[in-house]
Amino acid sequence: DTEVTQTPKHLVMGMTNKKSLKCEQHMGHRAMYWYKQKAKKPPELMFVYSYEKLSINESVPSRFSPECPNSSLLNLHLHALQPEDSALYLCASSQGREQFFGPGTRLTVL
Amino acid sequence: GQQVMQIPQYQHVQEGEDFTTYCNSSTTLSNIQWYKQRPGGHPVFLIQLVKSGEVKKQKRLTFQFGEAKKNSSLHITATQTTDVGTYFCALDSNYQLIWGAGTKLIIKP
Repeated sequence: DTEVTQTPKHLVMGMTNKKSLKCEQHMGHRAMYWYKQKAKKPPELMFVYSYEKLSINESVPSRFSPECPNSSLLNLHLHALQPEDSALYLCASSQGREQFFGPGTRLTVL
Repeated sequence: GQQVMQIPQYQHVQEGEDFTTYCNSSTTLSNIQWYKQRPGGHPVFLIQLVKSGEVKKQKRLTFQFGEAKKNSSLHITATQTTDVGTYFCALDSNYQLIWGAGTKLIIKP
């Protein structure tokens, strides 16, 4: 299985809602990533987990809270988001060289 | 920190014409990766180059890494509609990717 899966595909939420994005990979990759991508821009790194431990937090606001329950799963908990947080949220995993990206969650914050 | 500049931002071509995108850095790059993102899709890894002067081919795609390891290019011969998308170069720096801005390939109708 060389796939990274993400749910949901689309999410619309209000600024007071709490929601979670989920990511799963079964390739045994030790590193997992969350990215945010705005239209016409490259992906912007948010968090990196290495061996289930948070190793990089790119100064992301606390309204985004990552969680790595086990080596195959990665969650991103969302709370009190702003309209400017609307974007494509991508999960990726790697075992050294290339990163394998999931299809992303298209998030709209109203 | 290191930056990777990528040009052009867009390239419009007729189907069958060639396409080239360039990445440049003011400092030596240890490696360069190339990704393709189709419209509405996610980035997909194409290749990694690590050696000075390296040239690799994948069917109609030719990837080059400069002799000084400060630039790289992706050339597509005889573009097809399936080539449409945005091509990104990226530097792998301690498992973080430093991305170029991307070049969007548009096929003229």
